Amino acid sequence: QSALTQPPSASGSPGQSVTISCTGTSSDVGGYNYVSWYQQHPGKAPKLMIYEVSQRPSGVPDRFSGSKSGNTASLTVSGLQIDDEADYYCNSYAGGNTWVFGGGTRLTVL
Amino acid sequence: QVQIVQSGAEVQKPGASVKVSCKGSGYTFTRCAIHWVRQAPGQRLEWMGWINVDNVDTGYSPKFQGRVTFTWDTSAGTVYMELNNLRSEDTAVYYCAKKTAGPNNPFDDWGQGTLVTVSS
Repeated sequence: QSALTQPPSASGSPGQSVTISCTGTSSDVGGYNYVSWYQQHPGKAPKLMIYEVSQRPSGVPDRFSGSKSGNTASLTVSGLQIDDEADYYCNSYAGGNTWVFGGGTRLTVL
Repeated sequence: QVQIVQSGAEVQKPGASVKVSCKGSGYTFTRCAIHWVRQAPGQRLEWMGWINVDNVDTGYSPKFQGRVTFTWDTSAGTVYMELNNLRSEDTAVYYCAKKTAGPNNPFDDWGQGTLVTVSS
């Protein structure tokens, strides 16, 4: 069960948009629309930002959006704010009641 | 409101075992599973497995199968994660997370994390 592939880092200036990719296989990301994204600030527990590829939980700003094409899911953060600076992890169902996380992407707001 | 509270930090020697607790409130236990996720210092999140408190069914990541056990204490309303034969690579923050039944549902509420340090 290999980790999903994410770029180690991403960056943008306040107000800009940034997109983070998450690449898996047809056995996980490509096989199910069960991709979720989590934001983690240093020393804190992860927080759910997106589920079922593109759904936002209540309370998450609409600046956060998700999509998927084939074996790659993406998280886009628009109108970057200082507080968006954090680590972001994707997660996918991998069949057989197993789940897998991505390697994580550190988002820096310049 | 949903609250998930984990037990405090632990220091254990190599070869020993550790047992971490996870207690939830503010939601219906029997409709949810508790998943365990760990994060070594500076590393990614790593999924370990789950326990369904409704039927006490469990599932484990192949990496941890045979070395980790999840249990549920009905009277205490608490889930436990026990990891055996600890090695230095097991030093990590261990999180429990609530997940409504069904593969489509995400990990929507998390505990605060429990730091387990393995050192001689």
